[in-house]
Amino acid sequence: RKEVEQDPGPFNVPEGATVAFNCTYSNSASQSFFWYRQDCRKEPKLLMSVYSSGNEDGRFTAQLNRASQYISLLIRDSKLSDSATYLCVVNMGNSGYALNFGKGTSLLVTP
Amino acid sequence: GAGVSQSPRYKVAKRGQDVALRCDPISGHVSLFWYQQALGQGPEFLTYFQNEAQLDKSGLPSDRFFAERPEGSVSTLKIQRTQQEDSAVYLCASSLAGQGEQYFGPGTRLTVT
Repeated sequence: RKEVEQDPGPFNVPEGATVAFNCTYSNSASQSFFWYRQDCRKEPKLLMSVYSSGNEDGRFTAQLNRASQYISLLIRDSKLSDSATYLCVVNMGNSGYALNFGKGTSLLVTP
Repeated sequence: GAGVSQSPRYKVAKRGQDVALRCDPISGHVSLFWYQQALGQGPEFLTYFQNEAQLDKSGLPSDRFFAERPEGSVSTLKIQRTQQEDSAVYLCASSLAGQGEQYFGPGTRLTVT
């Protein structure tokens, strides 16, 4: 069982839709949580960190539930340019610095 | 400023050959990480350096994999006697400090035939 689990999708949504991605992690010692975005054949890029209190960056909202070991990402008013794979990422509790990636959720926003 | 660079971008190796993959981190970044990304999967951690010290190599899949960062800057990932299952994209990332944001290079796509 992978340490970070995500629904691989794909999620096909029309422009303007709201879409939510969920993720669970198994290492309760993890302290840092992120969502990364990866475009086809490109490197992953940090989309946003996820904090316990929840945080928002424009159209993107991330939530963390430590008790349930659950992370979510909400994208409002989706744009064509949001089409990508979204990777749920947590740090490895033991070493602290290396990252554990989920398999990624594929999003396709259509006109 | 320049980001993380990796070379070569693409490498085709015959099974049994040795390969060396290079990573140039962002100048001044103390921490350097190597990840392996198989097709359709998320990146998997291989190894971590802080300056020249390799602090974690728990993700290296076998003793055919070896990484070094002798002067605390450029790093090389070497794979000996490549196997088909080594085919993947090898990503390098660097960060200013251990827990800082990791910036990824474009990766080296290795195909073993």
